[in-house]
Amino acid sequence: GQQVMQIPQYQHVQEGEDFTTYCNSSTTLSNIQWYKQRPGGHPVFLIQLVKSGEVKKQKRLTFQFGEAKKNSSLHITATQTTDVGTYFCAEFKYNFNKFYFGSGTKLNVKP
Amino acid sequence: NAGVTQTPKFRILKIGQSMTLQCAQDMNHNYMYWYRQDPGMGLKLIYYSVGAGITDKGEVPNGYNVSRSTTEDFPLRLELAAPSQTSVYFCASSQPLTGTMNTEAFFGQGTRLTVV
Repeated sequence: GQQVMQIPQYQHVQEGEDFTTYCNSSTTLSNIQWYKQRPGGHPVFLIQLVKSGEVKKQKRLTFQFGEAKKNSSLHITATQTTDVGTYFCAEFKYNFNKFYFGSGTKLNVKP
Repeated sequence: NAGVTQTPKFRILKIGQSMTLQCAQDMNHNYMYWYRQDPGMGLKLIYYSVGAGITDKGEVPNGYNVSRSTTEDFPLRLELAAPSQTSVYFCASSQPLTGTMNTEAFFGQGTRLTVV
């Protein structure tokens, strides 16, 4: 299928702990994007990865694209309460003109 | 630039009523999308458009209709509202680029619809 599988569905962490969410595909991804949706808000684009083995950082967030381009991860170091929300991965398939979103990982951070 | 603007932000409909959710973007994007998001769930694609005059069904099109007469506007029509259509509706736009350029989706603020 064309689904992007995302795990875990939920993650509860204590403030200061690290957090990781994973996206996996059975087929090679042409790109992987990550979005954050705050509670009650709308998804906001964070980053896009396109190259095999690519690693990008945004402050405490580290994004990785697997060597085989079939998986990706988002790692947050030392979570803060401002990190609360749902994180979605997505692939844009050019031949279908659509985004294929993962089911999301809901992160809760306890102060 | 306002980005993607959705109206209304909130709406309560009675069963059987109809309404149009408005979506407008000022980024000259060709691609536009309508998603619904049920509580605690992910995004489901209702309809999408790759340009004015062109629309296609997504994974959950039943009970909805769209039109794309201009590049800027992509309204979503609900006919004969049902409780199952209670959801948050997001409109998004994009301008796909190849190579290493970002092909991100820009989302509107959403319309929270309750059908009672």
